[in-house]
Amino acid sequence: DVKVTQSSRYLVKRTGEKVFLECVQDMDHENMFWYRQDPGLGLRLIYFSYDVKMKEKGDIPEGYSVSREKKERFSLILESASTNQTSMYLCASTLVGSLQGLYYGYTFGSGTRLTVV
Amino acid sequence: DQQVKQNSPSLSVQEGRISILNCDYTNSMFDYFLWYKKYPAEGPTFLISISSIKDKNEDGRFTVFLNKSAKHLSLHIVPSQPGDSAVYFCAASVGNNRLAFGKGNQVVVIP
Repeated sequence: DVKVTQSSRYLVKRTGEKVFLECVQDMDHENMFWYRQDPGLGLRLIYFSYDVKMKEKGDIPEGYSVSREKKERFSLILESASTNQTSMYLCASTLVGSLQGLYYGYTFGSGTRLTVV
Repeated sequence: DQQVKQNSPSLSVQEGRISILNCDYTNSMFDYFLWYKKYPAEGPTFLISISSIKDKNEDGRFTVFLNKSAKHLSLHIVPSQPGDSAVYFCAASVGNNRLAFGKGNQVVVIP
């Protein structure tokens, strides 16, 4: 089974802190994604990456940046955390051009519940 | 502009009865449709999917129906169990590209 591991389940950070959320997948997937989930707003795409050192903005990239130095690792960075970034953050990955990717879509991590105080 | 829409944000159903979740989409190029289930404090997990060349796919208690002419799909859960209480996301893709997600439906199964 593909595993997508997010380094922290719960985080509490102070306003203005720089926050790093780490995500690692173990199945050589090219595509990796960062979402946030908020009640009533569903899953909103922050950033995604098709390959090492490549990144694309999603629907809500403001206040975030990402890093993908290795294929298996995709990091989300909150440059200066604010209270409106309190949310559940979800990392996902998928294998491009495969039946598995078509049929199963993304594999998600367990999520990081971030609270900014 | 939201390409995948899930109305009726929440649904309550008695244990043993049928749960029906609906999803509408706007992009006629979508060729794969998926449902994910999400418990609180966990990531979404894959539930069932269907190719656009089919109109029904069944897996145990879960059946997905696709009506391409109406750009509509639905998820049926029969019989509903308390462990089915979760948020369900509808998603769609063109080829193997980015998934477009709906906003989710909260299902509560009452014992």
